[in-house]
Amino acid sequence: GNSVTQMEGPVTLSEEAFLTINCTYTATGYPSLFWYVQYPGEGLQLLLKATKADDKGSNKGFEATYRKETTSFHLEKGSVQVSDSAVYFCALIPNTGGFKTIFGAGTRLFVKA
Amino acid sequence: DAEITQSPRHKITETGRQVTLACHQTWNHNNMFWYRQDLGHGLRLIHYSYGVQDTNKGEVSDGYSVSRSNTEDLPLTLESAASSQTSVYFCASAPQKGEQFFGPGTRLTVL
Repeated sequence: GNSVTQMEGPVTLSEEAFLTINCTYTATGYPSLFWYVQYPGEGLQLLLKATKADDKGSNKGFEATYRKETTSFHLEKGSVQVSDSAVYFCALIPNTGGFKTIFGAGTRLFVKA
Repeated sequence: DAEITQSPRHKITETGRQVTLACHQTWNHNNMFWYRQDLGHGLRLIHYSYGVQDTNKGEVSDGYSVSRSNTEDLPLTLESAASSQTSVYFCASAPQKGEQFFGPGTRLTVL
């Protein structure tokens, strides 16, 4: 079946450090891939997305590249800020079988000043 | 601007009571979803709908029901609230295969 696996947290970094959150997926064909972010006390919101192989999604300094050969969609940011502290969810929508989104378990990020 | 709202934002109820959580979206999306979020379990899908009069069970639907009488609303009903249903509930809407737009959440406590 379809699934998303992301690295367990929490991840703790100092301000201006480099961030990588790993995400791999299992799905047939070419799913659409997403990263969502959830700030404390809020609902999830879309951070970036990619809909086909080799696409790079980017937003607010975050990037992720759709790698079909490794079934991965790792999230990266070159220099994190305290305001990036949040929970990050990797997700996919399969290209067949309905419109449900499959979410990973989420990775909590703490950024220290 | 289009939005998705949930009400109430906080609710305390007693075991055995019926509770209804409201979700209203002005995006005109056909697809709507209800999730619960608990520590250690991530997001779990309760029910979803792909259009008016359409409803489907998710992975944790026992004890919950939904109805879809119009495009904008998907209320979630807890038939007889149990302590195990204490959680944060999120509603979301989406176009065909696009990203989901989440509401701000309802924190429900069942005593």
